[in-house]
Parts: sequence; C-alpha cells; structure tokens
Amino acid sequence: GAVVSQHPSWVICKSGTSVKIECRSLDFQATTMFWYRQFPKQSLMLMATSNEGSKATYEQGVEKDKFLINHASLTLSTLTVTSAHPEDSSFYICSARDWVSSYNEQFFGPGTRLTVL
Amino acid sequence: DQQVKQNSPSLSVQEGRISILNCDYTNSMFDYFLWYKKYPAEGPTFLISISSIKDKNEDGRFTVFLNKSAKHLSLHIVPSQPGDSAVYFCAATITSGTYKYIFGTGTRLKVLA
Repeated sequence: GAVVSQHPSWVICKSGTSVKIECRSLDFQATTMFWYRQFPKQSLMLMATSNEGSKATYEQGVEKDKFLINHASLTLSTLTVTSAHPEDSSFYICSARDWVSSYNEQFFGPGTRLTVL
Repeated sequence: DQQVKQNSPSLSVQEGRISILNCDYTNSMFDYFLWYKKYPAEGPTFLISISSIKDKNEDGRFTVFLNKSAKHLSLHIVPSQPGDSAVYFCAATITSGTYKYIFGTGTRLKVLA
C-alpha cells in the first residue's frame, strides 16, 4: 500500500511554455501533499504544502504565481510551472500524507524530471 | 539557514562492515526524524524513523540513534551490502505543526564489494 505516482516522469518543454505535473495517491486518501524540488547533487527543498480544498502554503522564496498548486481531491495534486525558463529545470518530487494510517510518514512519488530548453 | 545538515557528502565502506551516517540539526522543536534512501531520478524510499522520546530504534540491519542534547542523529547499517549504495537523506519534522519535512544535504554511500 501507500503508493504515490507522478505523471509525467520526464518532460522537455520550450522556454515560455507551461508544464503541469500530476501527483496521485493510488491507494489512500491524502489530506496533505507536499511538493519538493531537487537540483543535481543537492538536497530536497520543500516548495509548498497543499491541503485538499484549500490554498497551498508556499515556502519562503517560492513564487506562488509561477508554481501553481491545486489539490482539488484527496487523491490528486497538480503543480503547474508557468512560463517555464531554463532555470526551472529540476527534479520535482511530490509526497502525500495520510492522517489515518501513517501519522508521521510521507510517501514519495518517483519524481518528474523537467528540462526547459 | 540549513536546519538539518549532513556534514559528510560521501562515505565509502567495505562490504560486511558497518556504515555510519551522521546528521545534525539546529531546531530544538524537531521531534520526529526519518532516514530516506534515494537513487538518482527516483523518489526517496523510507528506511527508518525515530521519535524524540526515544534514543534508539532498530529495524533489521538499520539502527537510528538520537542524541537530543547534541542535536545529533546517526544511521547505522550493519552489515553493509553493495545494494545499500545510494544517497541517504535525514529529515526532521515538528509533529505538532504542518508535518513538513526539512531534509539534510545528503550523504552518498558507496559499499565496496
């Protein structure tokens, strides 16, 4: 159990376009989902926390108008990188948390590699 | 401000020996700690966790030790296996808050056959 999927696993886009990344909890209801990004050989940096049905809470330094997060259902959260630029190229990872069965644990998706040309 | 640090970016250990990965934190409010294993281009895989009310937690070959006074935790892997070669991240959270994880900088472990 506790499987989180991400789609797509990798994406290449042109500068100026928008890219949507989906994060799904496959066998549990995720009341909270988190979005991270990881640059090569660096740590996972939390970008934002989203709770189902409410606005996401962004970490300091993360532009909320550039990284749009929607958590419309208990099994799906989306991250849209708007007007992507080469510096947005990174590995984006989501995680999901289930209050009921895993009090303190987050389950991570496999990640999405974004390359902006 | 890096609240969770792993001061050793890399570690090499002979197969069968003990691997010790260290993690230091600065925020005394953290009360739950986790270790994750990660391969390139994949999501982190949970290994083991520990609550601040404990000083040790063991699961098979993995043991995590917590020294609250020193704000230090360590992961011991015994015996180390070549399949353990990966990047290991420690993470810390405050369970009375949003449960967001603060990750350390990672340690690349290489187990030599």
